[in-house]
Amino acid sequence: QVQLQESGPGLVRPSETLSLTCTVSSGSISGYFWNWIRQPPGKGLEWIGYVYSSGSINYSPSLKSRLSISVDTSKRQFSLRLSSVTAADTAVYYCARELNRGASNLGAFDFWGHGTMVTVSS
Amino acid sequence: QSALTQPASVSGSPGQSITISCTGVRSDVGGYNYVSWYQQHPGKAPKLIIYDVNKRPSGVSTRFSGSKSGNTASLTISGLQGEDEADYYCSSYTASRCVFGGGTKLTVL
Repeated sequence: QVQLQESGPGLVRPSETLSLTCTVSSGSISGYFWNWIRQPPGKGLEWIGYVYSSGSINYSPSLKSRLSISVDTSKRQFSLRLSSVTAADTAVYYCARELNRGASNLGAFDFWGHGTMVTVSS
Repeated sequence: QSALTQPASVSGSPGQSITISCTGVRSDVGGYNYVSWYQQHPGKAPKLIIYDVNKRPSGVSTRFSGSKSGNTASLTISGLQGEDEADYYCSSYTASRCVFGGGTKLTVL
């Protein structure tokens, strides 16, 4: 059974960079799209972006200018960096694996981490 | 504002059936058969219950079914049970990215 675990600071100062890592336990990290999704308190889900195991990336247009997602297959980890954060970036951040449909990302996230709460505050 | 529109809440009694709608546009829901549905209980991560409009992952109850007509997708839950009380989110593939609905809170009366 694939398990994902997010890790990183729970508090980030405004204007600084939010950094999170997702560790993938068991199963293959190769051949999958690895995604970040967030959920502000009491609100809905927002797709942030993905990194394919080869390193190719795709980001939400609304976050693209501040966002970087990368993968380290040797460590079985992928990471998120979001710069110049504000209170609007306060959310539970989930990492998730996309259902394997070959080399095409078509949505559908079949395994999720438990989520990690990140608060942006001074 | 979410890209896909869902009703904020729906309710039903045990044993009944309910349907949750998810309305998009031709460039997302209407243009692709890649609509997914997620169930989220409070404090938990979302769980995939439907993908590709009407496919169920292994282990998901047959009481959950999906469909699509034009720009609107639907999730139907039959034989409502208390454990079905949760938030439900739809999502759609669109131009190499994913968009979510705002979520629907299902109350089992």
